[in-house]
Amino acid sequence: AQSVTQLGSHVSVSEGALVLLRCNYSSSVPPYLFWYVQYPNQGLQLLLKYTSAATLVKGINGFEAEFKKSETSFHLTKPSAHMSDAAEYFCAVSEGGGSNYKLTFGKGTLLTVNP
Amino acid sequence: NAGVMQNPRHLVRRRGQEARLRCSPMKGHSHVYWYRQLPEEGLKFMVYLQKENIIDESGMPKERFSAEFPKEGPSILRIQQVVRGDSAAYFCASSPPGQVNTGELFFGEGSRLTVL
Repeated sequence: AQSVTQLGSHVSVSEGALVLLRCNYSSSVPPYLFWYVQYPNQGLQLLLKYTSAATLVKGINGFEAEFKKSETSFHLTKPSAHMSDAAEYFCAVSEGGGSNYKLTFGKGTLLTVNP
Repeated sequence: NAGVMQNPRHLVRRRGQEARLRCSPMKGHSHVYWYRQLPEEGLKFMVYLQKENIIDESGMPKERFSAEFPKEGPSILRIQQVVRGDSAAYFCASSPPGQVNTGELFFGEGSRLTVL
């Protein structure tokens, strides 16, 4: 069975500082991994995903994530935070096979950006 | 281009009542998924539907919960005889034809059900 652990339910950074949101996963099959973001008053939207190609994945708005199989991690980073990055971020793993629509999500990390 | 629309955004029910949550997928999307987020937990898959068909309901509780996606109109998640443990955020997502197995889902804002 798949599971996801997001370390830190709330992360606070200053504008311009590095953003690091941690995600560890457990999967019985080679995983597809995702980061979704939910801005205030909006639905979740896909930020980036890993599908066994390049281990460093680039997403929208300057975010990227690195798949590390040995550490079972898929941490999300951005070199310089912007006020507009304030949102809740969810890491997810798919079930695999023909059921990649079945995503298992972490509990989410709320990112606040201070001026 | 409107996104996935869910209503109501907030719903309060007393124990034993019925709750109906509606979801209109994005234009052109023919696949609908329902997810539930219980307090202090991540979103969990409930059911996957296409028009007039339930494709995968492996995540649905066995009793009191049902879902449909009729030929016309929105998808509906129905919870009969609600209990306090049903209090949660219910998210609907959709995807276009041919992208079912990508994991790339378009989510609505969610419907928050509170059972008193």
